[in-house]
Amino acid sequence: QKEVEQNSGPLSVPEGAIASLNCTYSDRVSQSFFWYRQYSGKSPELIMSIYSNGDKEDGRFTAQLNKASQYVSLLIRDSQPSDSATYLCAVNRKGGFKTIFGAGTRLFVKA
Amino acid sequence: DVKVTQSSRYLVKRTGEKVFLECVQDMDHENMFWYRQDPGLGLRLIYFSYDVKMKEKGDIPEGYSVSREKKERFSLILESASTNQTSMYLCAGRGPINQPQHFGDGTRLSIL
Repeated sequence: QKEVEQNSGPLSVPEGAIASLNCTYSDRVSQSFFWYRQYSGKSPELIMSIYSNGDKEDGRFTAQLNKASQYVSLLIRDSQPSDSATYLCAVNRKGGFKTIFGAGTRLFVKA
Repeated sequence: DVKVTQSSRYLVKRTGEKVFLECVQDMDHENMFWYRQDPGLGLRLIYFSYDVKMKEKGDIPEGYSVSREKKERFSLILESASTNQTSMYLCAGRGPINQPQHFGDGTRLSIL
């Protein structure tokens, strides 16, 4: 079992729809959770951090964390073609130096 | 905002050369990381450092070494470059353990 698992996609949604990206993690003591966006040929860019159960909203992005289910998700409302990218889920374990990255989900937003 | 700067965006070297990739961060971060990223393999951690002169092996350290003589600078060294080290190399910096990493723009390295 991978430590951080994501559906590789591609996930295709029409412009204006809600894109839902999901991630599960295996280590129950994980405490910090992040979503990165990576355009083709570019480096990962942090878009959301979440540390406690529930929802966190930032503009069109909402991160959701459920520690009991070891599940974190990212919702993108009013999806735009410019949102087409690979989205990486990342997890910091409690007291651990390393960040564990998922393999990423490719998102396509069709105009 | 955090700024992580990698010295080169593109680099072409020959097999057997010693290659240096430089990374500088401006946020006084203790923690710095080197990854490589290949299609279908995701981000793979090569080495990381949690303080000056301190280094730890990541998941794929073979064929690489690192140097951290100053807090702001973390260098990745390919001791004798080989074609299977052709890749995108990403440097990241991070503050306290519960904080996110911030990446530089990456260096696309080709070994011929």
